[in-house]
Amino acid sequence: DGGITQSPKYLFRKEGQNVTLSCEQNLNHDAMYWYRQDPGQGLRLIYYSQIVNDFQKGDIAEGYSVSREKKESFPLTVTSAQKNPTAFYLCASSPQVNQPQHFGDGTRLSIL
Amino acid sequence: GENVEQHPSTLSVQEGDSAVIKCTYSDSASNYFPWYKQELGKRPQLIIDIRSNVGEKKDQRIAVTLNKTAKHFSLHITETQPEDSAVYFCAAVFGNEKLTFGTGTRLTIIP
Repeated sequence: DGGITQSPKYLFRKEGQNVTLSCEQNLNHDAMYWYRQDPGQGLRLIYYSQIVNDFQKGDIAEGYSVSREKKESFPLTVTSAQKNPTAFYLCASSPQVNQPQHFGDGTRLSIL
Repeated sequence: GENVEQHPSTLSVQEGDSAVIKCTYSDSASNYFPWYKQELGKRPQLIIDIRSNVGEKKDQRIAVTLNKTAKHFSLHITETQPEDSAVYFCAAVFGNEKLTFGTGTRLTIIP
């Protein structure tokens, strides 16, 4: 879906380092989400935001932080407190919550 | 708690036959149930969804049925084709905000 852009596609993190994953959407959607997907697993919700300047923790928020300063952007920071960050990270957006979510192409994060 | 169980985890079907994937959910207040298809290394894509005021919805070879009393919903794919091979995820909205996903079904269509 060309309306949601995640970058970079691949990211490597060193021990003790914070890294930030970018997610931008031009769909004029109010709600945005971050999910983590481990090999052979489903999607687990990290954080979500229903509107600008507001966000809520999902099921696995520990070791992650987000901001929602602009409607179009919802960056995710993987902090050094996240001890097992290797995973595929997916960003999604929807017009509002409880409506179909559209996903970006994902960022694959690995540890150096 | 909020939970979505999905079965089976893997499914192999002869090309042209039908495939059925089932999910159960824990919150009787859930009212939105989407299904996503994810090909290897790619983004999940919405293929069909259903709301709780509807019992069945069809889109060409794909259909979803919902049984609110039993709290389960199913994906039906008829006349399967090789391009249907992928991982399929069901999901349900909890608390009118959070989408919780099942653990996925890897569907393989055998030519």
